[in-house]
Amino acid sequence: AQSVSQHNHHVILSEAASLELGCNYSYGGTVNLFWYVQYPGQHLQLLLKYFSGDPLVKGIKGFEAEFIKSKFSFNLRKPSVQWSDTAEYFCAVNGDAGKSTFGDGTTLTVKP
Amino acid sequence: ETGVTQTPRHLVMGMTNKKSLKCEQHLGHNAMYWYKQSAKKPLELMFVYNFKEQTENNSVPSRFSPECPNSSHLFLHLHTLQPEDSALYLCASSQSARGNTGELFFGEGSRLTVL
Repeated sequence: AQSVSQHNHHVILSEAASLELGCNYSYGGTVNLFWYVQYPGQHLQLLLKYFSGDPLVKGIKGFEAEFIKSKFSFNLRKPSVQWSDTAEYFCAVNGDAGKSTFGDGTTLTVKP
Repeated sequence: ETGVTQTPRHLVMGMTNKKSLKCEQHLGHNAMYWYKQSAKKPLELMFVYNFKEQTENNSVPSRFSPECPNSSHLFLHLHTLQPEDSALYLCASSQSARGNTGELFFGEGSRLTVL
């Protein structure tokens, strides 16, 4: 079985601060990893994904994530957050064929 | 615009009612999913359909009954629900539900309140 753990439930930052959201997964085989974002009142959408190759992946809006296989981690980073980044962020793993498992989510509040 | 459309966006029903949620995807995908999103809980996978065939039922109570008449449409029929079933029900689609499923494309959800 696969599982995902997000370490931070609620993060509050000021604009221009750096962001790192932790994500660890549990699965014995090859995985695909995702970060999804849900802005207030909007649908869940893909922020970035890792399938293979370069473990440092870049997504939309200046976000990036690094896959560290030895640590079973896929942390999300952004060097300088903006007020518009206020949203809920979900890490997800797809290892078992046919389904993605999501973490609990992290609510990010950016103060202007 | 997500390519995945859910109706209704909001639904209030009594415990003895029968209602249905509808999902339609315009992305040419072969797999469709129902997820339940409750406050302070992780997204819970309910059902997976791949090429119209159900491939996953994640121990969902029988008061939730899915239907997938074709790869573009997915329904969730609701009957004698409980107040604890109140949640946001999300439909999603992907290229396939086997092997590398790729990313999920979500609808905006149907907010269900059971009185």
